Amino acid sequence: AQSVSQHNHHVILSEAASLELGCNYSYGGTVNLFWYVQYPGQHLQLLLKYFSGDPLVKGIKGFEAEFIKSKFSFNLRKPSVQWSDTAEYFCAVTPLGTYKYIFGTGTRLKVLA
Amino acid sequence: EAGVAQSPRYKIIEKRQSVAFWCNPISGHATLYWYQQILGQGPKLLIQFQNNGVVDDSQLPKDRFSAERLKGVDSTLKIQPAKLEDSAVYLCASSLGSRDEQYFGPGTRLTVT
Repeated sequence: AQSVSQHNHHVILSEAASLELGCNYSYGGTVNLFWYVQYPGQHLQLLLKYFSGDPLVKGIKGFEAEFIKSKFSFNLRKPSVQWSDTAEYFCAVTPLGTYKYIFGTGTRLKVLA
Repeated sequence: EAGVAQSPRYKIIEKRQSVAFWCNPISGHATLYWYQQILGQGPKLLIQFQNNGVVDDSQLPKDRFSAERLKGVDSTLKIQPAKLEDSAVYLCASSLGSRDEQYFGPGTRLTVT
């Protein structure tokens, strides 16, 4: 079955530390890839997305993600986190040719001031 | 642009009672999703509509859950009868197409006692 794995369930960082959250998916064909974020008390919202082209995608608030097709990965990065980045982050994948939209289980990030 | 609207925001019911949730997607969005999000987990798709037709309801517990999207716009999700394990946040989301960015509503927090 198609799935999305986020191996880091909880991450705690100090402000200014670098962040990398892993996302791996199990599907061999063409995919659209997304990272969503849910700040405390707020809706889920899009952070960034990859459809095609440059595999390094830049999103809002200084986040970026790199699509590595050979590794079936779409890891999220930020060079220097802020306290306001405290949130839950979800990776999602939609395989071409299906209606499926598959979310990972999420990574809860806490940034210490 | 108005976002995805959901009501009610909170609902507390006793087990075996019934409950209904309402969702109004963003105007023009063909695809509408209902998710169940249990604390600490990622959104789990319950049902996906493309216009007013169902394209995926494989994870919908059809013995107790039902959903409809009349005229391809608003949607309602019903649970009858509710069980304790139905306690969760029910999210509605919409998108232009099935592989596009999803826009989420604020969710309905259901507590079954």
